[in-house]
Amino acid sequence: GQNIDQPTEMTATEGAIVQINCTYQTSGFNGLFWYQQHAGEAPTFLSYNVLDGLEEKGRFSSFLSRSKGYSYLLLKELQMKDSASYLCAVTNSNYQLIWGAGTKLIIKP
Amino acid sequence: GAVVSQHPSRVICKSGTSVKIECRSLDFQATTMFWYRQFPKKSLMLMATSNEGSKATYEQGVEKDKFLINHASLTLSTLTVTSAHPEDSSFYICSATELATDNNEQFFGPGTRLTVL
Repeated sequence: GQNIDQPTEMTATEGAIVQINCTYQTSGFNGLFWYQQHAGEAPTFLSYNVLDGLEEKGRFSSFLSRSKGYSYLLLKELQMKDSASYLCAVTNSNYQLIWGAGTKLIIKP
Repeated sequence: GAVVSQHPSRVICKSGTSVKIECRSLDFQATTMFWYRQFPKKSLMLMATSNEGSKATYEQGVEKDKFLINHASLTLSTLTVTSAHPEDSSFYICSATELATDNNEQFFGPGTRLTVL
């Protein structure tokens, strides 16, 4: 089967750094996405990785290791507005998007 | 950027009625549109994939006669929930991929919250 694993919930402190991990097992690989979703809203795009390595975009960075089937999303200088669910999704060889269940990130003052 | 709209944003209906949800790509042509549903605190579940001018491909377990999808143009797809029941209450989200992109990024609509009484 195909599955994406990520922690259910994480807690971090405002101003700190947090890393959300995602491991995947899919039939083929054509890219990995990270989305942010606030409660009651649609997901918004954060990052896309198709090659190994780190992609940095402002306070957010995403890393990919295809050989390990592993990615992480790194959030720096956390702000209260970063409290949301973070969804990892992988495009497989059929270009289907397989979704993780999401990681609920709680930011405390 | 690519914008996707959904209408209505919220709908409350009586059991047994049908509800139509529209999904539009406002500033781009969408090769493919996807329909998802999301239950509270759960991940997105793909219901169906539709390409303009052809029949939608439904995921296993999704009743095609209950969730009618029409993708009449490169900018519009509709989902009709027929004979809705309380268990159909959910957050329905559409997304679209642009005709010419390298990464198949999906652009999401704002979602439609359906409540069936």
